[in-house]
Amino acid sequence: QSALTQPPSASGSPGQSVTISCTGTSSDVGAYNYVSWYQQHPGKVPKLLIYEVTKRPSGVPDRFSGSKSGNTASLTVSGLQTEDEAEYYCSSYTGSSRVFGGGTKLTVL
Amino acid sequence: EVQLVESGGGLVKPGGSLRLSCAASGFSFSVYTMNWVRQAPGKGLEWVSSISSNTNFILYGDSVKGRFTISRDNAKNSLYLQMNGLRADDTALYYCARDYSGTSIDRWGQGTLVTVSS
Repeated sequence: QSALTQPPSASGSPGQSVTISCTGTSSDVGAYNYVSWYQQHPGKVPKLLIYEVTKRPSGVPDRFSGSKSGNTASLTVSGLQTEDEAEYYCSSYTGSSRVFGGGTKLTVL
Repeated sequence: EVQLVESGGGLVKPGGSLRLSCAASGFSFSVYTMNWVRQAPGKGLEWVSSISSNTNFILYGDSVKGRFTISRDNAKNSLYLQMNGLRADDTALYYCARDYSGTSIDRWGQGTLVTVSS
């Protein structure tokens, strides 16, 4: 159960778009369309942004979108806003467990 | 309103045991798969364990397998985590979390802090 690989940091200016990658293996990300993404502000609990690769729960702005190609999933945040500055985690089902990525700190410049 | 309230955390010596509890309210607890997820201080999220609504399916992360036991009492709307053989690297904030669509987590408690230290 190795953690999924995310870049430790990403950044963008307000209004821009930024994409965060999440790389797994053919046993997790590549095997199932069960990738989810979470946003966590400092001192707060995580918030579900994307589930099943591309789906958004009710209330999540459409500025957040997900995709997957092979063993790599991606989260794109469009029209960056200052409140998007947070830690972002991906997660995948593996068939017998779940695994999270190490997290990406998104800075809005 | 969905609420998940964890309790039972604290300071314990290496090799010791703790039992975490999670009281759920505001939703039909008995039909949901539930999870425990932990976060070490300043670190990322780590999935610990999950249990299906009828307890037929129970899963554990490799780092806790054989030491931790998840259980639930649907009559009491409660989730539990029995932690034995605790180690320093088990030190973390432990979240009770509700499954969503069988593939993700949509509700989190505020967490209970477990510190393993001599």
